[in-house]
Amino acid sequence: AQSVTQLDSHVSVSEGTPVLLRCNYSSSYSPSLFWYVQHPNKGLQLLLKYTSAATLVKGINGFEAEFKKSETSFHLTKPSAHMSDAAEYFCVVRGGTSYGKLTFGQGTILTVHP
Amino acid sequence: EPEVTQTPSHQVTQMGQEVILRCVPISNHLYFYWYRQILGQKVEFLVSFYNNEISEKSEIFDDQFSVERPDGSNFTLKIRSTKLEDSAMYFCASSAAGTDTQYFGPGTRLTVL
Repeated sequence: AQSVTQLDSHVSVSEGTPVLLRCNYSSSYSPSLFWYVQHPNKGLQLLLKYTSAATLVKGINGFEAEFKKSETSFHLTKPSAHMSDAAEYFCVVRGGTSYGKLTFGQGTILTVHP
Repeated sequence: EPEVTQTPSHQVTQMGQEVILRCVPISNHLYFYWYRQILGQKVEFLVSFYNNEISEKSEIFDDQFSVERPDGSNFTLKIRSTKLEDSAMYFCASSAAGTDTQYFGPGTRLTVL
């Protein structure tokens, strides 16, 4: 079985400052991990994914995440927040099979202040 | 860029009525999924579908739910007799062979009165 815990339900930053969204996972398998973003009234968009290649994964819009097996973490970061980054972010783990179900975290709402 | 589409964007129905939510997955994808998100809760897996049959389903996906790929492009979720607790955002997703990335549609917001 797999699960994800997003440690913050809300994160608020100022434009131009770094973003850190925290995620811990639990998986019986070597996990595939994802971050998805949902802007208001939009669908879920894939930001990045980790699938046992490089532990530092780069995604779209300047986001990146680092897989740390020893800490069972997959935190999402961005050096400098932009107003357009305001959205809800989901950390997601995939089940054991290649086409298995996704298990979502609770989501973190990111607010960016001018 | 190809995308998953869903119709309608909003559906309001009376308790006990049947609803069909429609999805058009990305054209060369072979794996199809439904998820739902009740307001204020996590996105939850409902069912996955491959080669014209269900490959996995959650305990939420009881006899009231069914899925179908009626033609080469559509993928539908039917709820036979809706309950108040079925009110949620329903997301369709699809993935291609050889990749584990699922692409999501914009969702259908279902409201059961």
